[in-house]
Amino acid sequence: QVQLQESGPGLVKPSDTLSLTCTVSGGSISDYYWAWIRQPPGRGLEWIGCVCNMGSTKYNPSLKSRGFISVDTSKNELSLKLSSVTAADTAVYYCARDQGYQVTWGQGTRVTVSS
Amino acid sequence: DIQLTQSPSFLSASVGDRVTITCRASQGISSYLAWYQQRPGKAPNLLIYAASTLQSGVPSRFSGSGSGTEFTLTITSLQPEDFATYYCQQLNSYPLTFGGGTKVEI
Repeated sequence: QVQLQESGPGLVKPSDTLSLTCTVSGGSISDYYWAWIRQPPGRGLEWIGCVCNMGSTKYNPSLKSRGFISVDTSKNELSLKLSSVTAADTAVYYCARDQGYQVTWGQGTRVTVSS
Repeated sequence: DIQLTQSPSFLSASVGDRVTITCRASQGISSYLAWYQQRPGKAPNLLIYAASTLQSGVPSRFSGSGSGTEFTLTITSLQPEDFATYYCQQLNSYPLTFGGGTKVEI
């Protein structure tokens, strides 16, 4: 049973780069596809992007090319970097195992963008 | 982007009730739709994929139907643990998008 755990700084300054890690246990990260989703406080879910079918990477255009998702197979980790953050990037960030739909989710990590 | 509109946004119900939630897509998405349940403070949990296929371990009181632009999630005999927010998600094209959610309250 694959389990996911997100980690990263809970507070990021405006204009900085947000960096999050998702540690995968119970399976090899190479065997699956992966996604990041976020949820602003009191609001709905927003798909950020994925390491998707055929190993390609897709991103939500709403991020305006600020997002970067990568996989470190040596550490069994997935990462998300989001540059030039603003208060609008304040959210709970989730990583998930992806089969088109998101099969397994981490518990989420809360990120606040504030000076 | 494909827009998903869920209705209602809020639903007041009682234990034992039959509940139906609708998700409408702004364009046809075949059966590329999933449903998730999210309890307060928790991550979403996959209930249904391919519009009507029940995810392993999900109780059979949950069911999904529809194709094209209109989909429904039905919960027969609502249980206390079912009071949560439900989201639909389209998987037809990138960027993947979610509906705005339906909160099922007592």
